[in-house]
Amino acid sequence: DAKTTQPTSMDCAEGRAANLPCNHSTISGNEYVYWYRQIHSQGPQYIIHGLKNNETNEMASLIITEDRKSSTLILPHATLRDTAVYYCIVRAPNSNSGYALNFGKGTSLLVTP
Amino acid sequence: DTEVTQTPKHLVMGMTNKKSLKCEQHMGHRAMYWYKQKAKKPPELMFVYSYEKLSINESVPSRFSPECPNSSLLNLHLHALQPEDSALYLCASSQVLTGVQPQHFGDGTRLSIL
Repeated sequence: DAKTTQPTSMDCAEGRAANLPCNHSTISGNEYVYWYRQIHSQGPQYIIHGLKNNETNEMASLIITEDRKSSTLILPHATLRDTAVYYCIVRAPNSNSGYALNFGKGTSLLVTP
Repeated sequence: DTEVTQTPKHLVMGMTNKKSLKCEQHMGHRAMYWYKQKAKKPPELMFVYSYEKLSINESVPSRFSPECPNSSLLNLHLHALQPEDSALYLCASSQVLTGVQPQHFGDGTRLSIL
């Protein structure tokens, strides 16, 4: 699986958009980008995934660059409950190792009042 | 709220005890996973079951013994654990082992070994 690079930590004011970047410059054509977050003392929570098109759901938007070498997770109106560690994971679903989620170190997002 | 339920939420045990962790899902998923997470570290995969058969064992010591009695249940039997085994143990499930659909996690069992 391709390696991802994320900033160690970020701050965001409550009510503002939180834009979390992820670099995956060695991504392969069959690899998807997945985002999870882990709030303190809870299990990882799936947020969104995509291959090459931008995706949006009730939690967030995922913007993937045209060359697919980076992506941005957008939380449009951050709340204090969005404070968590956010993991960007690249995964090839239909490969022999497609079961693997390599979490990496993630970005610790702090939403402040 | 999570659709993967893990019990107990907390467990304290001595090194000579035998205990079990339980995980349950009713989403019809046929792949289930055990992860271990140490403090301030990301989750690490331990075991994977696909259609109730053990598919992956990530070189986990034999003092951890997984079991999948049916498609909804996953157990992790613990025996003669060491203090370094203290961690958060996470269960996850997905529709199938390899597929686009994501894994969904429970909130874990926090295990302390005395």
